Amino acid sequence: AQTVTQSQPEMSVQEAETVTLSCTYDTSENNYYLFWYKQPPSRQMILVIRQEAYKQQNATENRFSVNFQKAAKSFSLKISDSQLGDTAMYFCAFIPSGYALNFGKGTSLLVTP
Amino acid sequence: GAGVSQSPSNKVTEKGKDVELRCDPISGHTALYWYRQSLGQGLEFLIYFQGNSAPDKSGLPSDRFSAERTGGSVSTLTIQRTQQEDSAVYLCASSLWYNSPLHFGNGTRLTVT
Repeated sequence: AQTVTQSQPEMSVQEAETVTLSCTYDTSENNYYLFWYKQPPSRQMILVIRQEAYKQQNATENRFSVNFQKAAKSFSLKISDSQLGDTAMYFCAFIPSGYALNFGKGTSLLVTP
Repeated sequence: GAGVSQSPSNKVTEKGKDVELRCDPISGHTALYWYRQSLGQGLEFLIYFQGNSAPDKSGLPSDRFSAERTGGSVSTLTIQRTQQEDSAVYLCASSLWYNSPLHFGNGTRLTVT
C-alpha cells in the first residue's frame, strides 16, 4: 500500500517566523515524485513545490523549501518569513510510477499577525 | 491558456436522483483524476485515467459511482441514486504526464437533500 501521513492537523505561526510541516510516506517503490499543494480558503489547489526521489538535492521555491530524507521516507515543508497569505491547508502528495497520486489528510496552517 | 474547467460549480439534488459532473482538462494532458473533499477534510481519491490505459477505479466508494473519459479528453463522473453522504466538493485535476504537477479545477459542490 502507498500511504501518506501528515501528523499535524493544525499549526500556527506568527508572521515573519519559520514553520515546518511534516510528511511521511510508505512505499516499496524506488522511483517516485513528491509534492506539496496549498489550498487557501478560495478552495483552489495550488502547487507549492515538487521533488523527484532520485534527486538528493532538496527542492526550493522562494520562501518554500523541503527536507527530503529518502531513507526515512520523510518529506517536510519549511516556510520561511511566513506571510498572512500563507494561511491555507497544506497537502503532501506522493506518486510512485504506475500508481495514482496519493494525498495526506492535510495540515491547516494559520499565520497570525 | 484555459485551465481545468468543471461544471456545474454547484449542484443541489434530491436523495435518490442521479447526477453527472463534468470535467474539461487542459488540452494535451494525459492524466486525469477525480477526488472528493468533504468539509474540512483531505482529498479522497476516486478514479485516475492515464492515457489509453485502463482507469484505476480503486477509490470509487460504491458501484453507484462511475466515470468515463471520452476521447482522452472530457470526463464525466456519474453518481446514481445519490445519498446524503455523497454531499461534498468533487475536484477534477489533470496533468501532462503521471509525474507532472496537477492542475486542479475549482470543483463542483454537490449537496444532496
